[in-house]
Amino acid sequence: DQQVKQNSPSLSVQEGRISILNCDYTNSMFDYFLWYKKYPAEGPTFLISISSIKDKNEDGRFTVFLNKSAKHLSLHIVPSQPGDSAVYFCAASESGTYKYIFGTGTRLKVLA
Amino acid sequence: SQTIHQWPATLVQPVGSPLSLECTVEGTSNPNLYWYRQAAGRGLQLLFYSVGIGQISSEVPQNLSASRPQDRQFILSSKKLLLSDSGFYLCAWSGTDKYEQYFGPGTRLTVT
Repeated sequence: DQQVKQNSPSLSVQEGRISILNCDYTNSMFDYFLWYKKYPAEGPTFLISISSIKDKNEDGRFTVFLNKSAKHLSLHIVPSQPGDSAVYFCAASESGTYKYIFGTGTRLKVLA
Repeated sequence: SQTIHQWPATLVQPVGSPLSLECTVEGTSNPNLYWYRQAAGRGLQLLFYSVGIGQISSEVPQNLSASRPQDRQFILSSKKLLLSDSGFYLCAWSGTDKYEQYFGPGTRLTVT
């Protein structure tokens, strides 16, 4: 049972436009969420996180939105740059469990 | 600052051979430590995590094992590799007071 789902395996966006990456989860006990960016043959890099007490967190060009009632979160990248081309993973955790469940990733391609 | 090391970077091993992958963390004490595997075209699967020396939790039954002989050292092992063990293995750490996980550079394992 996939508790964290990224239903779009790939996404292409023009440079300068907005990239929106989506993530859905099924476990209502999840209360902390993270986004990671991963280049081939490298470890994922932490981008941004959000706890369930918030519905938005912003860091530079990256904004994460959380809709708890829909069990949905999204990562917005504005403006998108060619260097943003990578695979993006969302991950979810339940307080006190010390572990994260990762989605299968979305490959973002930003076209110059 | 904290750093995480993994070695080797790449490894080619025959079926039935043993495995030992090592991960060390610098610049922090008593981290939570994690082993993940990313199979080709798949997401990140949590294999083991540890909240202290000698404390190992296994997430997926398999022929792999993990050990934590020192506070900042985490080892992934197998007595006999299977073809299905091929993948990209990632070590990660998190602080006990923060939720963000930070990943090492990964080890590409090919079992032939």
